[in-house]
Amino acid sequence: GAVVSQHPSWVICKSGTSVKIECRSLDFQATTMFWYRQFPKQSLMLMATSNEGSKATYEQGVEKDKFLINHASLTLSTLTVTSAHPEDSSFYICSATAGTGDADTQYFGPGTRLTVL
Amino acid sequence: GQNIDQPTEMTATEGAIVQINCTYQTSGFNGLFWYQQHAGEAPTFLSYNVLDGLEEKGRFSSFLSRSKGYSYLLLKELQMKDSASYLCAVKDSNYQLIWGAGTKLIIKP
Repeated sequence: GAVVSQHPSWVICKSGTSVKIECRSLDFQATTMFWYRQFPKQSLMLMATSNEGSKATYEQGVEKDKFLINHASLTLSTLTVTSAHPEDSSFYICSATAGTGDADTQYFGPGTRLTVL
Repeated sequence: GQNIDQPTEMTATEGAIVQINCTYQTSGFNGLFWYQQHAGEAPTFLSYNVLDGLEEKGRFSSFLSRSKGYSYLLLKELQMKDSASYLCAVKDSNYQLIWGAGTKLIIKP
């Protein structure tokens, strides 16, 4: 149980293009999904938190117009990196929780490696 | 401010035992998580502690002392596949997860 998938697992794109990453909870309904970014040999950096049907809450320093998040259903959230540039190259990971409260565990997707040329 | 401290790197021998410590200073406490992350992969959940004491799960155990703001992850009978980063994360009073930088564990034969 608690399986989260991400698609694609890796993507290479040209500078200036947009890239969409999907995050799905396969065997549970995810009331909350999280998007992280991780640069090589660094810790996870939370980008935003999204709840189904409402606008995402972005962390300080994360441009909401550049990183568009949509959480349209209880099993799907998408992150779109708009007008990607080489500095956006990173490992993007989503996680999902089944509810709220102190016992809630985040289960992670396998991650998407983005390379912008 | 909120802070999670873990050693940056540790080395241990295959078959041995290793203890990875985590100390935290957060605004409130609603549980502590340990995750394992292999290089190039996403984190996987290992354990959750919210009450003081030891939680054992196979070769892995996690301990919590809330009064000391301290936890450790104990790995027994180390295997080469245990080489990974181990992330400590604390849920604060707002149920926000605060992440440590992770401890890179290197297992030598």
